[in-house]
Amino acid sequence: EPEVTQTPSHQVTQMGQEVILRCVPISNHLYFYWYRQILGQKVEFLVSFYNNEISEKSEIFDDQFSVERPDGSNFTLKIRSTKLEDSAMYFCASSEAWTGVYGYTFGSGTRLTVV
Amino acid sequence: GQQLNQSPQSMFIQEGEDVSMNCTSSSIFNTWLWYKQDPGEGPVLLIALYKAGELTSNGRLTAQFGITRKDSFLNISASIPSDVGIYFCAGQAVGADGLTFGKGTHLIIQP
Repeated sequence: EPEVTQTPSHQVTQMGQEVILRCVPISNHLYFYWYRQILGQKVEFLVSFYNNEISEKSEIFDDQFSVERPDGSNFTLKIRSTKLEDSAMYFCASSEAWTGVYGYTFGSGTRLTVV
Repeated sequence: GQQLNQSPQSMFIQEGEDVSMNCTSSSIFNTWLWYKQDPGEGPVLLIALYKAGELTSNGRLTAQFGITRKDSFLNISASIPSDVGIYFCAGQAVGADGLTFGKGTHLIIQP
C-alpha cells in the first residue's frame, strides 16, 4: 500500500528557530497538503499545493509559513521563526485528484515541540 | 470559517455493541469523509461519500451523506477491541481544497 512518508517523526526546537518538516507524497499524486493538530484538538487545514504553487491556504498559514517542492519527490513545510503555539502534530497528505476522489492519504505526522 | 459539529465527543461501550456518531454543519459540503486516528498516527480514511443521500459500507462500517448535504453519520456494527480510537468526520466545501474536520469522537470499548 503506497504511503506518505514524513520526517522527522519528532522535532524539538527553540522558540525563534526555523524548522523544516519534510514529506514524500505518494508518487503519482498531484495535490499536496499540510495540516496540523494541536494536542487533543481537531485536525486543521494549513495549505494545499498543486502544479508548483499554493492553491489554497487557511488563516493559520501566515507569513511565517512557506511550502516548497524542491525536487520531484519531496514536499516541505518551513516555519521561519517558531513560536510556542506552533507546537503540534503536522500532517502531510496527498491526493490523486482535486476532489479528493479517493480521499486524502495522510502521513504519520511530525510532532513539533517548541521550547 | 466553516464548523463541523461532531457528536458524541466520547463513547464508552461494551464489545459487540453497535456505535453511531454524526456530524452536522451549517454549510453545504460536496464530500464527506470519515477517518480513524490511532495514537501517534495520522488519520486513516474509512469511508468517502460524494453524493447527497449516498449510503456506503466498508465491512462493519456504514456511513451516509445527508440529503441536505449538511450532515453525515457513521455506524459501526458489532464493535471489536481494535475499533478503539478517535473518529473524525471531515467535509470538503464547494470549491475548497482543504478539509474541515470535526473535533472527533473518542471510542472506548470496555471488556
